[in-house]
This record gives sequence, structure tokens and C-alpha cells, in this order.
Amino acid sequence: EAGVTQFPSHSVIEKGQTVTLRCDPISGHDNLYWYRRVMGKEIKFLLHFVKESKQDESGMPNNRFLAERTGGTYSTLKVQPAELEDSGVYFCASSPGLLNYGYTFGSGTRLTVV
Amino acid sequence: GNSVTQMEGPVTLSEEAFLTINCTYTATGYPSLFWYVQYPGEGLQLLLKATKADDKGSNKGFEATYRKETTSFHLEKGSVQVSDSAVYFCALIAYSGAGSYQLTFGKGTKLSVIP
Repeated sequence: EAGVTQFPSHSVIEKGQTVTLRCDPISGHDNLYWYRRVMGKEIKFLLHFVKESKQDESGMPNNRFLAERTGGTYSTLKVQPAELEDSGVYFCASSPGLLNYGYTFGSGTRLTVV
Repeated sequence: GNSVTQMEGPVTLSEEAFLTINCTYTATGYPSLFWYVQYPGEGLQLLLKATKADDKGSNKGFEATYRKETTSFHLEKGSVQVSDSAVYFCALIAYSGAGSYQLTFGKGTKLSVIP
């Protein structure tokens, strides 16, 4: 089966610009997650979709971040306007269930805000 | 809240040496436990998992046993290879208290294996 696909793989933008990251989960996986690793720090949870609904967005850092999952398929994460501290690697993952399933991660998008 | 603590790196070993990366956790309820690996230039890959006490997860020569009494899930390999050089993350899935189950990661341990 195809894995979780993320693009772009890298993005360099200026402070104040907008960037949209995309994630295509494994087909049939209802659960989709976004995570972020800021340089040298832990991988942190951002939010969790079940199908098209936001199940948990407690990790979203502020209202400059907007995530959507149209039709319960692919998801986008938009950062507007981007700030320097938003730089890091953004990972998307999907899973068919909640507790006993390991998540399948994409390769990540490395975002650099200059 | 839920948390994972793993040994600080980096860890440098010679080929064929024994590897242990310690991991302990605190969690709400009964978590499932995982080790993920990130090879240079690649994404996160699930290495192994255990979903209940005394379960042993294993893959590619790596093993970890779910120890509920010590809340630990230490990663071991008897003989490391250069190709094992990567960053290893201990993680758990447990109820987040915010309406869903979350995968919570440790900080990661960078392993370098030298010939």
C-alpha cells in the first residue's frame, strides 16, 4: 500500500509569508495527525482528525495555524503569517485505529522561516 | 499528563557492541508503547511495539519489553551495525484528557555506530 505522503519536502519562506503543507494519509485511515519537531526539541502533537472532524487540537500553538481535512481525505496545515519560531519539521501520520496501532508517518516537511 | 523520558544522547558504539537505550514513562490509564526510528534523511518509522504488560516487541534484532511495574520500555540489541546509526524515539499512546488518544514522544537518542 502507498504510505503517507507529505509535500513539499522542504520549504523556505520569509517571515510574514504564508505556507501550506499537505498530507495524504494511507487510504482508509480515518485518523490523521500532525506533529512538529522544532530544532533540538521533542516531537510535539499538534492535532488529530477523525475523518473530517477535529478530534483534538490542543497542541496547536496559536491561531496562526489552521488545519483542514476536506472530505476526510487529505489534510492541509496552513501557517499565516509565518514567524521565525515556526521553523522545524512538520510530520503527518495516519492510523486505522486509536490505541494499539502504531502510526504511519510521512517523511515530513522541513519548514525554514527566514 | 503523559510523558516519556529516555536517555540523553548521543550514544557512540563500536560495531557489534551491545546497545541499551533506557525509556521510562508516565501515563493515564494503560498505554501502548512504541519505539520509532529516524534514519538520516528519512521520516519516522515504527520499529517495534508492545500493547500490554510483559509483551516483548521485536524487529530487526531490536527488542523491548513492556514492564508495568517499573513503567519502562528499554530498547536493546545484542550486536549493533553501522546501518543502525539513527535517532531512536520512545513513545506511548494513551488518553490525552482532551478527547482523544495521543502519541507522546521522548526527546530521542542519537546513535552512531562506528566500524
